[in-house]
Amino acid sequence: DTAVSQTPKYLVTQMGNDKSIKCEQNLGHDTMYWYKQDSKKFLKIMFSYNNKELIINETVPNRFSPKSPDKAHLNLHINSLELGDSAVYFCASSQGAGGPGETQYFGPGTRLLVL
Amino acid sequence: GQNIDQPTEMTATEGAIVQINCTYQTSGFNGLFWYQQHAGEAPTFLSYNVLDGLEEKGRFSSFLSRSKGYSYLLLKELQMKDSASYLCAAWDSNYQLIWGAGTKLIIKP
Repeated sequence: DTAVSQTPKYLVTQMGNDKSIKCEQNLGHDTMYWYKQDSKKFLKIMFSYNNKELIINETVPNRFSPKSPDKAHLNLHINSLELGDSAVYFCASSQGAGGPGETQYFGPGTRLLVL
Repeated sequence: GQNIDQPTEMTATEGAIVQINCTYQTSGFNGLFWYQQHAGEAPTFLSYNVLDGLEEKGRFSSFLSRSKGYSYLLLKELQMKDSASYLCAAWDSNYQLIWGAGTKLIIKP
Protein backbone atom coordinates (compact mmCIF):
# COMPACT_ATOMS: atom_id res chain seq x y z
CA ASP A 1 0.00 0.00 0.00
CA THR A 2 2.83 2.36 -0.91
CA ALA A 3 1.60 5.94 -1.12
CA VAL A 4 4.14 7.44 -3.54
CA SER A 5 6.28 5.03 -5.52
CA GLN A 6 9.12 5.61 -7.93
CA THR A 7 10.98 3.36 -10.32
CA PRO A 8 13.76 2.64 -10.63
CA LYS A 9 15.33 3.09 -7.21
CA TYR A 10 18.83 3.11 -8.67
CA LEU A 11 19.91 4.16 -12.14
CA VAL A 12 23.49 4.00 -13.38
CA THR A 13 24.04 5.11 -16.95
CA GLN A 14 26.52 6.63 -19.36
CA MET A 15 26.76 10.27 -20.36
CA GLY A 16 24.68 11.06 -23.41
CA ASN A 17 22.04 8.42 -22.75
CA ASP A 18 18.30 9.11 -22.40
CA LYS A 19 16.48 7.76 -19.36
CA SER A 20 13.08 7.96 -17.68
CA ILE A 21 11.97 7.83 -14.06
CA LYS A 22 8.39 6.92 -13.24
CA CYS A 23 6.27 8.08 -10.32
CA GLU A 24 2.85 7.01 -9.16
CA GLN A 25 0.75 8.05 -6.17
CA ASN A 26 -2.31 6.20 -4.86
CA LEU A 27 -3.37 8.90 -2.41
CA GLY A 28 -5.85 10.56 -4.75
CA HIS A 29 -3.82 13.76 -4.61
CA ASP A 30 -4.22 16.50 -7.20
CA THR A 31 -0.66 17.86 -7.32
CA MET A 32 2.62 16.07 -8.02
CA TYR A 33 6.20 17.33 -7.95
CA TRP A 34 9.72 16.46 -9.03
CA TYR A 35 12.62 17.49 -6.82
CA LYS A 36 16.38 17.13 -7.26
CA GLN A 37 18.54 16.61 -4.15
CA ASP A 38 22.20 17.18 -4.84
CA SER A 39 25.24 16.07 -2.86
CA LYS A 40 24.87 19.09 -0.56
CA LYS A 41 21.39 17.84 0.33
CA PHE A 42 19.45 20.86 -0.96
CA LEU A 43 16.04 19.90 -2.25
CA LYS A 44 15.25 21.92 -5.37
CA ILE A 45 11.85 21.92 -7.00
CA MET A 46 11.99 21.14 -10.70
CA PHE A 47 8.37 20.81 -11.76
CA SER A 48 4.91 20.55 -10.31
CA TYR A 49 1.70 19.45 -11.97
CA ASN A 50 -1.86 19.99 -10.79
CA ASN A 51 -4.42 17.68 -12.38
CA LYS A 52 -2.07 16.95 -15.27
CA GLU A 53 -1.30 20.63 -15.90
CA LEU A 54 2.12 22.18 -15.39
CA ILE A 55 2.08 24.84 -12.66
CA ILE A 56 5.74 25.22 -11.72
CA ASN A 57 8.61 24.92 -14.14
CA GLU A 58 11.79 26.05 -12.50
CA THR A 59 14.91 26.86 -14.43
CA VAL A 60 15.96 23.40 -15.46
CA PRO A 61 17.59 22.44 -18.77
CA ASN A 62 15.08 21.54 -21.44
CA ARG A 63 16.70 18.10 -21.53
CA PHE A 64 14.34 17.40 -18.62
CA SER A 65 10.77 16.84 -19.71
CA PRO A 66 7.96 15.87 -17.34
CA LYS A 67 4.89 14.01 -18.52
CA SER A 68 1.67 13.50 -16.62
CA PRO A 69 -0.60 10.99 -18.36
CA ASP A 70 -3.13 11.26 -15.52
CA LYS A 71 -3.19 12.89 -12.10
CA ALA A 72 -1.81 9.78 -10.39
CA HIS A 73 1.35 9.66 -12.52
CA LEU A 74 4.18 12.08 -13.19
CA ASN A 75 7.13 10.76 -15.15
CA LEU A 76 10.45 12.46 -15.78
CA HIS A 77 12.36 11.96 -18.99
CA ILE A 78 15.97 13.11 -19.27
CA ASN A 79 17.74 13.44 -22.61
CA SER A 80 21.49 13.52 -23.22
CA LEU A 81 22.44 12.85 -19.61
CA GLU A 82 25.37 14.81 -18.18
CA LEU A 83 27.66 14.16 -15.22
CA GLY A 84 26.01 17.02 -13.30
CA ASP A 85 22.65 15.27 -13.48
CA SER A 86 23.90 12.76 -10.89
CA ALA A 87 21.68 13.26 -7.84
CA VAL A 88 18.71 11.80 -6.02
CA TYR A 89 15.40 12.63 -7.69
CA PHE A 90 12.32 12.65 -5.47
CA CYS A 91 8.74 12.60 -6.58
CA ALA A 92 6.15 14.02 -4.17
CA SER A 93 2.43 14.69 -4.07
CA SER A 94 0.01 16.90 -2.14
CA GLN A 95 -3.72 16.86 -1.78
CA GLY A 96 -4.87 20.19 -3.17
CA ALA A 97 -3.59 22.73 -5.66
CA GLY A 98 -0.08 22.86 -4.27
CA GLY A 99 -0.56 25.85 -2.00
CA PRO A 100 0.88 26.77 1.40
CA GLY A 101 0.31 24.40 4.24
CA GLU A 102 -0.23 21.36 2.06
CA THR A 103 1.87 18.50 3.32
CA GLN A 104 3.97 16.99 0.59
CA TYR A 105 4.41 13.23 0.63
CA PHE A 106 7.63 11.98 -0.88
CA GLY A 107 8.51 8.87 -2.81
CA PRO A 108 11.60 6.81 -1.89
CA GLY A 109 13.84 8.59 -4.40
CA THR A 110 15.74 7.51 -7.50
CA ARG A 111 19.52 7.58 -7.19
CA LEU A 112 20.90 8.54 -10.58
CA LEU A 113 24.58 8.15 -11.31
CA VAL A 114 25.90 9.32 -14.65
CA LEU A 115 29.32 7.95 -15.60
CA GLY B 1 17.59 36.44 -2.60
CA GLN B 2 15.72 33.77 -0.74
CA ASN B 3 17.58 31.83 1.88
CA ILE B 4 17.09 29.24 4.60
CA ASP B 5 19.86 28.81 7.18
CA GLN B 6 20.26 25.84 9.47
CA PRO B 7 23.32 24.41 11.24
CA THR B 8 24.98 21.71 9.17
CA GLU B 9 25.40 19.20 11.95
CA MET B 10 24.55 18.77 15.65
CA THR B 11 25.36 16.09 18.18
CA ALA B 12 23.28 15.17 21.22
CA THR B 13 23.02 12.41 23.79
CA GLU B 14 20.30 9.78 24.02
CA GLY B 15 17.62 10.89 26.47
CA ALA B 16 18.55 14.57 26.23
CA ILE B 17 16.83 17.55 24.55
CA VAL B 18 18.06 19.27 21.40
CA GLN B 19 16.92 22.43 19.60
CA ILE B 20 17.52 22.83 15.88
CA ASN B 21 17.28 26.41 14.67
CA CYS B 22 16.22 27.71 11.27
CA THR B 23 16.24 31.29 10.00
CA TYR B 24 14.58 32.23 6.76
CA GLN B 25 14.60 35.14 4.35
CA THR B 26 11.88 34.83 1.75
CA SER B 27 9.88 37.20 -0.42
CA GLY B 28 6.73 37.01 1.64
CA PHE B 29 5.93 34.15 3.98
CA ASN B 30 3.13 31.62 4.05
CA GLY B 31 4.22 29.11 6.66
CA LEU B 32 7.10 26.80 7.48
CA PHE B 33 7.56 23.03 7.43
CA TRP B 34 9.90 20.72 9.29
CA TYR B 35 10.68 17.37 7.69
CA GLN B 36 12.78 14.44 8.91
CA GLN B 37 15.00 12.55 6.47
CA HIS B 38 16.83 9.39 7.47
CA ALA B 39 19.94 8.59 5.43
CA GLY B 40 19.01 7.18 2.05
CA GLU B 41 15.30 7.67 2.61
CA ALA B 42 12.56 10.12 1.67
CA PRO B 43 11.76 13.22 3.72
CA THR B 44 8.74 12.72 5.99
CA PHE B 45 6.51 15.44 7.41
CA LEU B 46 6.96 16.51 11.04
CA SER B 47 5.24 19.86 11.50
CA TYR B 48 3.78 22.98 9.91
CA ASN B 49 3.71 26.44 11.54
CA VAL B 50 2.03 29.49 10.07
CA LEU B 51 1.18 31.46 13.25
CA ASP B 52 3.62 32.59 15.92
CA GLY B 53 4.06 30.25 18.83
CA LEU B 54 4.79 26.70 19.77
CA GLU B 55 3.13 23.61 18.31
CA GLU B 56 3.63 20.44 20.32
CA LYS B 57 3.37 16.93 18.96
CA GLY B 58 4.55 14.25 21.34
CA ARG B 59 8.32 14.43 21.78
CA PHE B 60 8.64 16.98 18.96
CA SER B 61 7.68 20.66 19.14
CA SER B 62 8.11 23.43 16.58
CA PHE B 63 8.22 27.16 17.25
CA LEU B 64 7.78 30.11 14.90
CA SER B 65 8.47 33.82 15.18
CA ARG B 66 7.39 35.58 11.98
CA SER B 67 8.78 38.94 13.07
CA LYS B 68 12.24 37.43 13.55
CA GLY B 69 12.14 35.08 10.54
CA TYR B 70 13.00 32.27 12.91
CA SER B 71 11.84 28.79 13.77
CA TYR B 72 13.14 25.94 15.85
CA LEU B 73 12.44 22.25 16.20
CA LEU B 74 12.70 20.88 19.72
CA LEU B 75 13.25 17.16 20.22
CA LYS B 76 12.85 15.75 23.73
CA GLU B 77 13.81 12.40 25.23
CA LEU B 78 16.08 11.70 22.30
CA GLN B 79 16.20 8.19 20.94
CA MET B 80 18.80 6.62 18.68
CA LYS B 81 16.22 6.45 15.89
CA ASP B 82 16.07 10.28 15.91
CA SER B 83 19.46 10.31 14.18
CA ALA B 84 18.54 11.86 10.84
CA SER B 85 18.62 15.11 8.91
CA TYR B 86 16.00 17.72 9.77
CA LEU B 87 14.91 19.95 6.91
CA CYS B 88 13.34 23.37 7.31
CA ALA B 89 11.28 24.72 4.39
CA ALA B 90 9.40 28.02 4.06
CA TRP B 91 6.61 29.03 1.67
CA ASP B 92 7.18 32.34 -0.08
CA SER B 93 4.56 34.74 -1.45
CA ASN B 94 4.65 33.00 -4.86
CA TYR B 95 3.59 29.78 -3.11
CA GLN B 96 6.97 28.20 -3.72
CA LEU B 97 8.54 26.03 -1.04
CA ILE B 98 12.15 27.05 -0.30
CA TRP B 99 14.19 24.31 1.37
CA GLY B 100 17.18 24.48 3.67
CA ALA B 101 20.07 22.04 3.31
CA GLY B 102 19.07 20.27 6.51
CA THR B 103 20.71 19.70 9.87
CA LYS B 104 22.28 16.31 10.40
CA LEU B 105 21.55 15.22 13.97
CA ILE B 106 23.83 12.58 15.48
CA ILE B 107 22.63 10.89 18.66
CA LYS B 108 25.24 9.28 20.91
CA PRO B 109 24.47 6.68 23.59
